[in-house]
Amino acid sequence: AQTVTQSQPEMSVQEAETVTLSCTYDTSENNYYLFWYKQPPSRQMILVIRQEAYKQQNATENRFSVNFQKAAKSFSLKISDSQLGDTAMYFCAFMKRGPLIKETSGSRLTFGEGTQLTVNP
Amino acid sequence: EAGVVQSPRYKIIEKKQPVAFWCNPISGHNTLYWYRQNLGQGPELLIRYENEEAVDDSQLPKDRFSAERLKGVDSTLKIQPAELGDSAVYLCASSFGLAQADTQYFGPGTRLTVL
Repeated sequence: AQTVTQSQPEMSVQEAETVTLSCTYDTSENNYYLFWYKQPPSRQMILVIRQEAYKQQNATENRFSVNFQKAAKSFSLKISDSQLGDTAMYFCAFMKRGPLIKETSGSRLTFGEGTQLTVNP
Repeated sequence: EAGVVQSPRYKIIEKKQPVAFWCNPISGHNTLYWYRQNLGQGPELLIRYENEEAVDDSQLPKDRFSAERLKGVDSTLKIQPAELGDSAVYLCASSFGLAQADTQYFGPGTRLTVL
């Protein structure tokens, strides 16, 4: 079974500054995906960024980037130039990838407990 | 492109009453998921459908929960009878179902309060 741990229940940052959210996971799988989702008060779970475990290059999406350390099973999210709209709960999530021989369909996401990020003006 | 649609957004019922939630996935998505999110926690999978087949329902409390996706498109999740501990947000998500596009897209959720 997989577990995902987010050790920072709450974080705050000043607008325009940079913040890093931590995530560690435990798995015996070699092929998997990692995700960061944000959930604002509206409850809509929105995909922020995705990382394939076989890729060594860290994923980036505009102001969002990750530091993926496979050996250490660490997957942190860096938000640059923080904006007020970034205020939300951020969840780290793990998903096992299906076998390469058969393109299996989606699998369950295992989420961490979340980090509440507040961006202050 | 329309996202995942869920209704109702809020539901308040008394314990022992039945309740149903509806979800319409993104057009063309074969895989549909129901998650439950308790307050202050991350979502947990209840059931996953591949088209109309339930392929992962190991976390679904089958004594009171049921789900269906008869035509492989929209889905209904039912609780009967509801208990106080069922108060949570019920999230529906969908994905294409292919390994290279396994990203799940979520709906806005239904917040259930059981009194």
